[in-house]
Amino acid sequence: AQSVTQLGSHVSVSEGALVLLRCNYSSSVPPYLFWYVQYPNQGLQLLLKYTTGATLVKGINGFEAEFKKSETSFHLTKPSAHMSDAAEYFCAVRGPRSGAGSYQLTFGKGTKLSVIP
Amino acid sequence: EAQVTQNPRYLITVTGKKLTVTCSQNMNHEYMSWYRQDPGLGLRQIYYSMNVEVTDKGDVPEGYKVSRKEKRNFPLILESPSPNQTSLYFCASTARGQGTGATEAFFGQGTRLTVV
Repeated sequence: AQSVTQLGSHVSVSEGALVLLRCNYSSSVPPYLFWYVQYPNQGLQLLLKYTTGATLVKGINGFEAEFKKSETSFHLTKPSAHMSDAAEYFCAVRGPRSGAGSYQLTFGKGTKLSVIP
Repeated sequence: EAQVTQNPRYLITVTGKKLTVTCSQNMNHEYMSWYRQDPGLGLRQIYYSMNVEVTDKGDVPEGYKVSRKEKRNFPLILESPSPNQTSLYFCASTARGQGTGATEAFFGQGTRLTVV
């Protein structure tokens, strides 16, 4: 069974500071990994995903994440926080690469990012 | 515009009164699913469907039903809602992936359900 752990349910950063949101996963097979963002009163929007190939993945709004197999991590970063980045962020791992359950997403519990002016 | 549409966005109901939350996607996706989101618990899958007439339980299916009679629609049915089903619900759809690629899930705007 897969699982996702997001360290820190709430992270605060100053505007212009580095954003680092941590995600560790557990999977018995090479994973598909995703970061989603949820703005207040909205659905989830894909930020970026890792499938195969390059381990440093760039997403929308200046975010990127690095897949580190040895550390089973997929941390999300952004060099300089903007007020509009305030939202809740979810890391997710997808099911095995084939067969039943291969489309199921297992989510972490989320990290709420606050940006201080 | 590619989208997943849920209705209603907000719903307050009483215990035991049957309700249906509709979900429709216009992307011809095969896979659809329902999640509930609760504070501190993240999103948990309720039911999913691999294609028309093919549905299966997710992690928290108790108290819910689904149907998939058409590819675009995947309604969530609460036959006898209870207060512990008060939650934020999301419908999602995903295209079938090709090769080693993984397609992402597209989410609806959510339905906030309160059962009193």
